Amino acid sequence: NAGVTQTPKFRVLKTGQSMTLLCAQDMNHEYMYWYRQDPGMGLRLIHYSVGEGTTAKGEVPDGYNVSRLKKQNFLLGLESAAPSQTSVYFCASRPNHRGGQETQYFGPGTRLLVL
Amino acid sequence: EDQVTQSPEALRLQEGESSSLNCSYTVSGLRGLFWYRQDPGKGPEFLFTLYSAGEEKEKERLKATLTKKESFLHITAPKPEDSATYLCAVGWKGNEKLTFGTGTRLTIIP
Repeated sequence: NAGVTQTPKFRVLKTGQSMTLLCAQDMNHEYMYWYRQDPGMGLRLIHYSVGEGTTAKGEVPDGYNVSRLKKQNFLLGLESAAPSQTSVYFCASRPNHRGGQETQYFGPGTRLLVL
Repeated sequence: EDQVTQSPEALRLQEGESSSLNCSYTVSGLRGLFWYRQDPGKGPEFLFTLYSAGEEKEKERLKATLTKKESFLHITAPKPEDSATYLCAVGWKGNEKLTFGTGTRLTIIP
């Protein structure tokens, strides 16, 4: 199993450009997440999905959109990139088990620089 | 407000010098506390999940413990390959979000 994979690994955008980050998991997990990681701050949740066709806002959703058309894929879109969106983006997934908070498994990250 | 605080921010140890990392939290209704290891330029790698006070888990040179207010990650006789940033995250009932601490950057000197 590849686990959680993310593409691209690195991208440079100009302010106002758009792009889509792709997350794929082969563990048949129900839940998927997008986080951003910035220096001096903990990982912060952008959006998440509890199953195919569902999405929900996290802690810092503004400026981002997501889609979960297939169970194994979770896409993060930036419609009009801003320098404040320069960050490292991580995707995570977890199974849906009743009782307790199940462990999230992370991808390798996408480094995004917005000029 | 639910908060997770990790200390120290950075820790330098000689190889073989044991120590502990701290994660304190103010979450009400804990659903789980997670420890991850993160190497530079990589994603967080899962280490442990703890669900209730008194629980302990071990893996090689690492041992994680949990009380009602904090968790410790004990590292025994560390090696240079244990150098990494260690992240703590907390989940609570009724919410899908995990709250992450800012991490402890651990450096083991040969």
